[in-house]
Amino acid sequence: AQKITQTQPGMFVQEKEAVTLDCTYDTSDQSYGLFWYKQPSSGEMIFLIYQGSYDEQNATEGRYSLNFQKARKSANLVISASQLGDSAMYFCAMREASAFYNQGGKLIFGQGTELSVKP
Amino acid sequence: ETGVTQSPTHLIKTRGQQVTLRCSSQSGHNTVSWYQQALGQGPQFIFQYYREEENGRGNFPPRFSGLQFPNYSSELNVNALELDDSALYLCASSADRAYEQYFGPGTRLTVT
Repeated sequence: AQKITQTQPGMFVQEKEAVTLDCTYDTSDQSYGLFWYKQPSSGEMIFLIYQGSYDEQNATEGRYSLNFQKARKSANLVISASQLGDSAMYFCAMREASAFYNQGGKLIFGQGTELSVKP
Repeated sequence: ETGVTQSPTHLIKTRGQQVTLRCSSQSGHNTVSWYQQALGQGPQFIFQYYREEENGRGNFPPRFSGLQFPNYSSELNVNALELDDSALYLCASSADRAYEQYFGPGTRLTVT
């Protein structure tokens, strides 16, 4: 069964420093997608970054980068130059590869990591 | 471009009652997925609608049902509410051949 594991329930980082949030996944599929979402206390899930299983380069989006290590089945999120507004829950998710799903697709989420940025 | 919207924001119901939650997808998106997020947990997939048909379902009982309308907006209906149904219900939309799902702000349901 497909599974996402986030082993850090909470993390602290000093403002302007970089932080890495860990994510490991388990799947027997060859084709899959990995996502990171940010969830502030307001509840909305904000899409941050995506990595396809066949992408050779690590994905980057502004201050966010995804450290994809396929052999280790890890997809860690790196946030550079942390800001106070980065304080939130962060979820790693995997898109289940299935021919049954035309679009979008079922996302399997981890338990999340709560990031607190200290001034 | 209008994002995903959900209504109501908060809702309190009594065990055994029925509830309908609504979602308007982002402009141009024809796929809507619903997720349930219990307190302190990651979201769990309920089901997905593509062009008015359910085309995927998670491990939820039949009392969780849905609809998608021609304008691609969607409803989630839950019958015979149980205390464990208390959660944040999130709706996400996506476009043709797109992997990104864009989430709405959610509806927080409390069952007493």
